[in-house]
This record gives sequence, C-alpha cells and structure tokens, in this order.
Amino acid sequence: KNQVEQSPQSLIILEGKNCTLQCNYTVSPFSNLRWYKQDTGRGPVSLTIMTFSENTKSNGRYTATLDADTKQSSLHITASQLSDSASYICVVSGGSGTYKYIFGTGTRLKVLA
Amino acid sequence: DTGVSQNPRHKITKRGQNVTFRCDPISEHNRLYWYRQTLGQGPEFLTYFQNEAQLEKSRLLSDRFSAERPKGSFSTLEIQRTEQGDSAMYLCASSLGGTSGRPQQFFGPGTRLTVL
Repeated sequence: KNQVEQSPQSLIILEGKNCTLQCNYTVSPFSNLRWYKQDTGRGPVSLTIMTFSENTKSNGRYTATLDADTKQSSLHITASQLSDSASYICVVSGGSGTYKYIFGTGTRLKVLA
Repeated sequence: DTGVSQNPRHKITKRGQNVTFRCDPISEHNRLYWYRQTLGQGPEFLTYFQNEAQLEKSRLLSDRFSAERPKGSFSTLEIQRTEQGDSAMYLCASSLGGTSGRPQQFFGPGTRLTVL
C-alpha cells in the first residue's frame, strides 16, 4: 500500500534553534518527493522537490534530503524564526494510474520566542 | 495576483443545505485537483480534472459531492444535503502537465466549511 508517514507529529522549538522533520514512504514506483509549508488557514506552498537522482536540495534555511534506497526524506530548518511556525507536509508522487500524489499528515512546528 | 483563487474563503451553513465552492486555477494550467483537509491532517484527495475531463474520483467523494469543470478553466465543487462531518477546509490546486508525470501543484487558500 502506498503510504507516507511523517514524524514527529508536532514539535516545539525555541527561535534560533535548528530542527529536522522526517518523512518515510512506501510509494512505488517513485517519481518525486516534495515538501510543502502550510500556514494556518492557508493552502500549502512548495518548498522543495526532489527526484530519484537527487539527494539534497536547499531553499534558503530549508534543506531537504532524500535517500531513495531507504525511502526516507528529511527537512532540516536552520536558525528557526517565528514565521517558520506552520505545518510541513511531505508529498510523494508515484504509483500507477493517472493521479498519484500521496500526502503525509504533516508535522506541526511551533517556534517560540 | 495570478495564483489559484477560491471562493468563498469561509462558508457557514446549516445541516441539510447545499453549498457550492468555486476554484479558479492558474490560467494556463490544464490540471485541477480538489482536496479536503480536516484539522491536524494532511489534504485528502477528492477528485482531479485534466482540462474538462474528470479523470479520477476518490471513494471519499460520495454521491452527495459533485465537481465540474465545464470549460476546462474554473471548477465548482457542490455538496448536497451537508452533514456535520463535511466540516473541513476544501483545497483546490492546479498544475501544468501532459498525460504522464506528476508536475508541481499550486494550491489555493482554501474554503473553510462549517456545518452547524
């Protein structure tokens, strides 16, 4: 069964600290993996996208890694800011059929001053 | 603003009423998706259009739900005889792609539905 699992479910950190969010997937065949940031009450916004051949991708203070062998991805946030408080959703594209975007349930990050 | 827009942003209705939401995708995007998202969960796929053709529907899309994209541009999602369990955020996304591949989706701000 195609699934995407994220951990932790929620996370609280102090401003300025780093954190790492995890995404494990069992989607086959694999096409690509995206991380989205979703602010409360808003739609998700794409942060990074990685295909099978890419193992790291950065977007400012956000760095995503992908290990296609172990089917794991991580999103590392450096020097967190209050505005990083949001849900971070991992989405894996793949599988068969005309539509296959498998969404994780997200990690809710709270950055405190 | 050339992003995906959704209207209304909020809708409060009484149980049993019908509601209709509208999504205007990015103008050149041929694919349009509807999702439902409840608090603390990721988006759940409802249905997907390529141009005006509805290519796939989730089992979540019961017979009370119907979606249309008559001219391959904007789309509407109608819920008939609403139930309290329909309360959620309804997200629309669009993308530009051919018949294969999984191009990036751009999401709208969502319509938050509250059924009393």
